[in-house]
Amino acid sequence: QVQLVQSGAEVKKPGASVKVSCKTSGYTFTNYDVSWVRQAPGQGLEWMGWISPSTGNRNYLQNFQGRVSVTTDTSTSTAYMELRSLRYDDTAVYYCVREDYGGYFDLWGQGTLVTVSS
Amino acid sequence: EIVLTQSPGTLSLSPGERATLSCRASQSVGGSYLAWFQQKPGQAPRLLIYGTSTRATGIPDRFSGSGSGTDFTLTISRLEPEDFAVYYCQQYGRSPRTFGQGIKVEVK
Repeated sequence: QVQLVQSGAEVKKPGASVKVSCKTSGYTFTNYDVSWVRQAPGQGLEWMGWISPSTGNRNYLQNFQGRVSVTTDTSTSTAYMELRSLRYDDTAVYYCVREDYGGYFDLWGQGTLVTVSS
Repeated sequence: EIVLTQSPGTLSLSPGERATLSCRASQSVGGSYLAWFQQKPGQAPRLLIYGTSTRATGIPDRFSGSGSGTDFTLTISRLEPEDFAVYYCQQYGRSPRTFGQGIKVEVK
């Protein structure tokens, strides 16, 4: 069936980097864009960025410019999100999300908890 | 960016009652690019409604969406026990995509 399976929880120190993977299956990876959304503990949802696996085009929320990179590996149908220079307030669950043709978020990964702690 | 404001913050209702959730945008959401998600504790959000009023696959017809421009509504006609959760609206017509802050629907 169609699914997005993310990598496991991470604990990182301030200033470090984290790379979260999102392996997709059950559909043609290059036919759907992928977004990344995060949710701090007890808080709402924040869109971080987007990538088109077919073209490589990408766009990021300005707040994350320079700190975040989203990439894809079409050979393994996997998307990646790397966040650098981690801060305590980057502690959150990070979700990859498939975008349907209309641009809406129709399928979510299970989430990856990233904890930033010294 | 388009700011989405949801109200009320918390809705306390009993099973069987009707729930009306509001989402107001700071500027017009063109093309009806407005979606609603449900999130339960420890779970990823689930798409309920897209294009303002189209139910996602498998979503029961007690969920309905309406609105246009800057004012949108999610209605749950009769609350079932599994409907008690947090609901988010999201606009995906303009970048950056933005979410409302969420409405918690709790058991009265």
